[in-house]
Parts: sequence; structure tokens; C-alpha cells
Amino acid sequence: GAVVSQHPSRVICKSGTSVKIECRSLDFQATTMFWYRQFPKQSLMLMATSNEGSKATYEQGVEKDKFLINHASLTLSTLTVTSAHPEDSSFYICSARLSKGTYEQYFGPGTRLTVT
Amino acid sequence: DAKTTQPNSMESNEEEPVHLPCNHSTISGTDYIHWYRQLPSQGPEYVIHGLTSNVNNRMASLAIAEDRKSSTLILHRATLRDAAVYYCILRDRYSGGGADGLTFGKGTHLIIQP
Repeated sequence: GAVVSQHPSRVICKSGTSVKIECRSLDFQATTMFWYRQFPKQSLMLMATSNEGSKATYEQGVEKDKFLINHASLTLSTLTVTSAHPEDSSFYICSARLSKGTYEQYFGPGTRLTVT
Repeated sequence: DAKTTQPNSMESNEEEPVHLPCNHSTISGTDYIHWYRQLPSQGPEYVIHGLTSNVNNRMASLAIAEDRKSSTLILHRATLRDAAVYYCILRDRYSGGGADGLTFGKGTHLIIQP
């Protein structure tokens, strides 16, 4: 149980285009999902918290107009990188909480974005 | 969340026990101690968490010092598949009901020798 999937696993796009990444909780409902970014040889950095049916909460320094997050259902959150640039190339990882009262998070396998 | 300190890397032999230390001298009474690990090119994986008492699950054991200022993740019999970066993270039990994202430090890079 508690499986989180991401699609696509890898994507290459041209500079200036937009890319959508999907995060799904496969066997549970997630009212809260999180998006992280990881650059090579670095640790994960929280980008935003995605709450079902409401606006996402972004961490300081993360541009909300560039990284659009939609959490339209209890099993799906999407991250759209708009007008991507080479510096947006990174490993994007989502996670979801199982339920209230438990504190562990379950992570997706990540999406490797390369902007050329 | 309070800060944790972990060694940058550790090396162990396959089929031997591994003890991964974590110092958290500024831990508060309501902080849970969580461990996650990240295998190469994958998302992190939850390992274990505890508050005061030692904890065991199918993956590992967590030994928590009596003063809670340090803890040790124990892998009882390491395999090559345990080679990963291990993160020790403190989480306030009242932190938005667990609704906050995790703050990852640099973790410990565990190398397993065959």
C-alpha cells in the first residue's frame, strides 16, 4: 500500500516551453501532497504544498507563476513548469501524506526534467 | 524544525550490521525523529520514526538516547540494496498536523562493500 506514482519519469523539453508533471496516489486518498526539487549532488528542497481543492502554498523563493500546481482530486496533483529554462533542469519529486494522525510521507519515483 | 547533524558518509560490509548516528541536541519534547532514505535516482523512502522509545519495523530499528539528543538507525544485516543516502529529520507532532513538508539535510551516504 501507500504507492505514489509520477509521470513522466523523464522529459526533455526546449527552452520556453511548458511541461506538466503528474503525481498520483494509487491506493489511498491524499488531501495534501508536496512537491520537491533536487539538483545534482544536493538534497531535496521543498517547493510547495498542494492541498486538494485549494491553492498551493509555495516556499520562499519559489515563483508561483512559474511552477503552477493543481490538486483537483484526492489522488492527483500536477506541477506545470511554465516557460522552462535550462536552470529549471532538475529532479522533481512529489510526496503524499497517508492520512491525518500519521506523519510519514510517501514519495513518488521522481521526474527528471532536462531543458535544452 | 530543530536541526540534525549526521556524518557525510559511512562505509560498511555486506551482511554486517550498520549503525547510522544522528545528533539532535536542540530537539524539543514534541519532536518526532524520522528517518528516510533515498536510493540513487529514486524518490526518498520512509524508513522509521519514533518519539521516545526504541522502535522496530521490518526495515530497521531506531534507538533513541534517553535524553533524546541523539538517535541511531540500525540496519541489522546490510545488503547492497541498502546503499543510499539516509536522512534523519525532526518533525514537530503539532506541525500542522503533519501537513508541513519535510526539511532534508545532507544526510549520510551509506556505502556497502560486497
